[in-house]
Formats: sequence, structure tokens, C-alpha cells
Amino acid sequence: DAGITQSPRHKVTETGTPVTLRCHQTENHRYMYWYRQDPGHGLRLIHYSYGVKDTDKGEVSDGYSVSRSKTEDFLLTLESATSSQTSVYFCAITLKWNTEAFFGQGTRLTVV
Amino acid sequence: DQQVKQNSPSLSVQEGRISILNCDYTNSMFDYFLWYKKYPAEGPTFLISISSIKDKNEDGRFTVFLNKSAKHLSLHIVPSQPGDSAVYFCAASARRGGGADGLTFGKGTHLIIQP
Repeated sequence: DAGITQSPRHKVTETGTPVTLRCHQTENHRYMYWYRQDPGHGLRLIHYSYGVKDTDKGEVSDGYSVSRSKTEDFLLTLESATSSQTSVYFCAITLKWNTEAFFGQGTRLTVV
Repeated sequence: DQQVKQNSPSLSVQEGRISILNCDYTNSMFDYFLWYKKYPAEGPTFLISISSIKDKNEDGRFTVFLNKSAKHLSLHIVPSQPGDSAVYFCAASARRGGGADGLTFGKGTHLIIQP
């Protein structure tokens, strides 16, 4: 158990509304990541963080922003949700850069 | 352009037999490879990894083989058990840089263990 908690676990929201997903870790790990999983695509990296206030874009970052004001929390924000952002979102941590990632339970987001 | 490919969407294996899951990659900068197992409504769980300096890594019933010249890796599960039924993801990373950030995943293979 890597001590990762995602909230909420499920959310339904309307197109055009802002949404924030939270990832909380208890192990003080430096590296945190947000992935999305869609049928036929596996998991794709949205954004990642290598420390407090240090973040960068991943493969599918358009329409998403992130913030990390504390080591333990990594927030993913959809500024204006679209139906294409309906997905399952996973937060992950790694002990070292680009090594084994440990994932949270996921957040299922539906944009209607 | 898919850099990590799992060409079999599903695989059915009889309980007690060997399960072999395959994965191909295209980015020669990848130097670390991982397998994950995922049950429905749960996050992926790390299974086993292998560095590019090795060609085999074993952990209990799970063995990963890496063929760098063919850019191919495989996961062997022996013997297969009902609890192994899940989706398996192959992933790769470039720890020394030159590849995508984070892990690059394949699309997954759904392994079904038949009683």
C-alpha cells in the first residue's frame, strides 16, 4: 500500500463546469503523476510533478492543469469539462524518476 | 504513434498452464520495462520489472524476458491461477532521458484463466 488516496472516487459533472480531482499521499514521495485510462488507449500521462510547485506536461495535457502546493497533495483541474474528458483518472507516485509507479484507486469522471 | 504495443487484446489459458503475454516497443531509448496487473474498479498493481541490462527477471510465478535486439518482452505466469484473470499492462520508461516522461503504457491484454 503506497498510501495514495484519490477523491472523489466517482463524479458526474456537466459540460463546461470546472472540476478538481485530488490525490493525497502519506509517504512524502517526491514524484507524482496523473494518468487517464480510456478503452483502447491504455494509460496516458496527463501531468506530473517532481516537487512542490514543480510540474510539467505529459502526453495528453490539453484542457488540464495541476497544482502541488504541498508534498502530499497533487490536484488535477479540468478548467471547463468536455465529454472527451470522461475517463478514469489515476494518480501515481514513484520513489525515483521513471521507475515503478504505484497507483491510487482511481476516479471515474463522467461529463454529461 | 504507439511506442508500446500489446497486440493481443485478450488471451484465454487453462488453469495450471503457462500464460505468456507479449509486448513490443519501438523507442530505443527505453531502458526500463514493467508489467502491471489491473482488476476492474481498482488501480493498476505493479508486478515485475526488468532493466535493459538484463534479459530475464523472475519473481515467484512471474518471469519477464527481454529481447533488446527484437525490442520485445514477455511475461510468463506459471502455473496460471484463477486469480490471475485481469488486464495486464506492459509499460516502459527512459530513465536516462530521451523518451517520454513518466511511463508509456501498452493498451493491455485481458487474461482469462479457464477452470
